[in-house]
Order: sequence, then C-alpha cells, then structure tokens
Amino acid sequence: EVQLVESGGALVQPGRSLRLSCAASGFTFDNYAMHWVRQAPGKGLEWVSGINWNGGTIAYADSVKGRFTISRDSAKNSLYLEMNSLRPEDTAFYYCAKDASGLHLFYFDYWGQGTLVTVSS
Amino acid sequence: DIVLTQSPDSLAVSLGERATINCKSSQSVFYSSNNKNYLAWYQQKAGQPPKLLIYWASTRESGVPDRFSASGSGTDFTLTISSLQAEDVAIYYCQQYYSTPLCSFGQGTKLEIK
Repeated sequence: EVQLVESGGALVQPGRSLRLSCAASGFTFDNYAMHWVRQAPGKGLEWVSGINWNGGTIAYADSVKGRFTISRDSAKNSLYLEMNSLRPEDTAFYYCAKDASGLHLFYFDYWGQGTLVTVSS
Repeated sequence: DIVLTQSPDSLAVSLGERATINCKSSQSVFYSSNNKNYLAWYQQKAGQPPKLLIYWASTRESGVPDRFSASGSGTDFTLTISSLQAEDVAIYYCQQYYSTPLCSFGQGTKLEIK
C-alpha cells in the first residue's frame, strides 16, 4: 500500500525558514517523480514544486521560485521542501504527492494527508 | 501560463441524477505527437487529500466507480457523474500537465446534494 506521510509543519514568523519532509513507502521511490502541492485553508489547490525520479528535472511555481528548494533522498525514501523567506501567503496545508511517471512531471496518483504551515507574527 | 476555468463554481444535484462539471483551458492541452490530452480530474472530500479520478482526459483510475466518466479534447473538458451518490459530495478539480514540468489546477467545483 502506498503511503506518504508529511511532517515538519509549524507556526513560524514571516521571514523565517522551515523544512518539510515526506516519508514514502509501499512503492519503489526511486522510480517516480514527486511533488509538493499546497492548499490555503478553504481555498483551492496550488502546485508548488516537482522533482523527477533522478532529480534531473526540478520545477517551481513562480510564487515560490528562489525561496523554496525541493530535494529527495533515495536512501531514506524521502522528499523534502526547504522553505525560506516565508510569507503570510505561504500559509497552507502542504501535500506530498506521487507522480504516475518517473521521468516526467505529470499527474498525481497518490497524496499524503498534508502538514499545516502557518506563517504569522 | 495555462489557466483552467471550471464551471460552475458550485452545483447541487439530486441523488440519482447526472452531474456535469466543465473545465476550459486557456490554450490547448492536446499533444499531437502522442494524441493525448494532458488533463486530469481529482475529487476532494471534506477533510481529506485529493484523490485521482481521471487522467489523460478520459482514462479512469483503477478503483474509481464507472459512474464517473470524462471527455473532451483541446481546450474543453467535462467530468460527468452519471447517477449521483451521497458519497460523491466533494470539490472536484481539473489539472493540466501539458506545460510540464509546470502544471496548474482549475479553481474547483463544489458538488452538493439538492
């Protein structure tokens, strides 16, 4: 059974940093692209960042480019999101999502339960 | 950037009746080299993460009931629930991945029981 478990969400002040983690199990992590998708409370879905199977393709939404960094660790079957210079508008549930593809960034066939990031003074 | 616009924003349908949700793209998401439309549909129930329903515009994900179907090509797409069940109450999102490695979602359509 595919499982994606996010952690690291917290209440942080504007301008500070935070690192999210996603522990993956139930599939061969190395074979699939992975993503972060966020959802502000009561709002719609916003794709944040994606990384293909070998890290050769990495992409970011314009809203986070230059502030967020996605990475993966095959030894730990984990996906990460390093978030710097956080802003109040970054407040959201952050979902880890598995791509159906390995090489390309396409669509999301499994999602974690999400972790809440709140940016407020 | 590709913008997806869903209609309506909310919809109330009687149990057993048909529900139809539309998704219009600001540009074509059809890739002629492989004859595929790069569009997916998701269902999000209250308090839960989204769930994949449809990919490549019309391919139903394994385990998704066959009352869910989708169609369309180019810029106009439709998700249809043929006979609404109580458990189908949710927000539905379309997503384009034509602009890979980037992608985008529609704003969502809230489906309720009338």
